[in-house]
Amino acid sequence: GENVEQHPSTLSVQEGDSAVIKCTYSDSASNYFPWYKQELGKRPQLIIDIRSNVGEKKDQRIAVTLNKTAKHFSLHITETQPEDSAVYFCAASMGSGDKLTFGTGTRLAVRP
Amino acid sequence: EAQVTQNPRYLITVTGKKLTVTCSQNMNHEYMSWYRQDPGLGLRQIYYSMNVEVTDKGDVPEGYKVSRKEKRNFPLILESPSPNQTSLYFCASSGRPGLAAQYFGPGTRLTVL
Repeated sequence: GENVEQHPSTLSVQEGDSAVIKCTYSDSASNYFPWYKQELGKRPQLIIDIRSNVGEKKDQRIAVTLNKTAKHFSLHITETQPEDSAVYFCAASMGSGDKLTFGTGTRLAVRP
Repeated sequence: EAQVTQNPRYLITVTGKKLTVTCSQNMNHEYMSWYRQDPGLGLRQIYYSMNVEVTDKGDVPEGYKVSRKEKRNFPLILESPSPNQTSLYFCASSGRPGLAAQYFGPGTRLTVL
């Protein structure tokens, strides 16, 4: 089955700096890569996703890049703010609405 | 208001006592799924459903059952709970083709003694 590895497990940045979280996947058939943000004590929220026919997608301060050849994808957050502090999960899916495999999460702390 | 609801939110039970966690969505979504979240392991998919009467196993289905008799409901059944099923459970739904989890429910914290 699919295996998703996520790094780093914890990340601390100064407010205003950029943060990058990286994930690798094992199954080349995976073609849909969502990212979720989970604040302390809350449910996960879908923040951005990318399909394998797209190399990069941006939404305001967040962007996701995908390298299909290397089987890795990354989340980039620019101009970080304290409210960006949360656990971020990457995931991989074969894009048919079925199995969804998550990474183990990155705890991001933004220092004011 | 568009939402995914779960009940109960908190449950403490004993080994072997059958229980059901309900999940309901009011967005007419086709896809619904269940996850458990454990420290250090992230989220793991238990079961998913692509439509009424269509369900399939995720990565950790052992000890769980599901049913999808109506589009809006997707209950998770633990026939004989064991302590290793103590976890935080999330239900999710999606109306986005190819994505199993677009909106999550609030979570159910289950403790099995």
